[in-house]
Amino acid sequence: DSGVTQTPKHLITATGQRVTLRCSPRSGDLSVYWYQQSLDQGLQFLIQYYNGEERAKGNILERFSAQQFPDLHSELNLSSLELGDSALYFCASRGTSGGSNTGELFFGEGSRLTVL
Amino acid sequence: DAKTTQPTSMDCAEGRAANLPCNHSTISGNEYVYWYRQIHSQGPQYIIHGLKNNETNEMASLIITEDRKSSTLILPHATLRDTAVYYCIVRPLSNDYKLSFGAGTTVTVRA
Repeated sequence: DSGVTQTPKHLITATGQRVTLRCSPRSGDLSVYWYQQSLDQGLQFLIQYYNGEERAKGNILERFSAQQFPDLHSELNLSSLELGDSALYFCASRGTSGGSNTGELFFGEGSRLTVL
Repeated sequence: DAKTTQPTSMDCAEGRAANLPCNHSTISGNEYVYWYRQIHSQGPQYIIHGLKNNETNEMASLIITEDRKSSTLILPHATLRDTAVYYCIVRPLSNDYKLSFGAGTTVTVRA
């Protein structure tokens, strides 16, 4: 158990719909990262938040957005869903010890999105 | 970030040591070598990281060559549960920190 919680674990929806994926980082971790893993693309970095602010952006589509709330949980919003958005979406938080960055990312078990 | 090269796949016998190579010939002085693994469809799991000295923890050992252009992850006594995709990643230790995962090495441990 990494300590990172993601919900829902599985989600099936139709094209054109909108879904929200939720992530709770490990206690005390300020950074949250979102990754997408599809069969043909591998693990792709989407976006990073640090203490509520966007810190880095990767290959995130304009139809996707994310935010990190004051309690540090994060949500990834996916809209106008297409068949190609079917993938595993992972959230990770970065380990800290005594305020120092340990460098490790702790990943949740992912949310599997199926778009029909 | 420096690029890494790993073999696509490798087999290992259960109970034997598994040695996973990684080439990172363009690594910079401030870049660390990280290893993660992903067991089928689970979230990636941190294994170990190092800068230039060899490192060991309860999961594995990391051997980095003196010129830092390559490294080897050693799983000392592979078990069937070590079957996974192993990713070697090179990255500075910074707060703006994202990992770029390549294709990794698919390791199959056979009984």
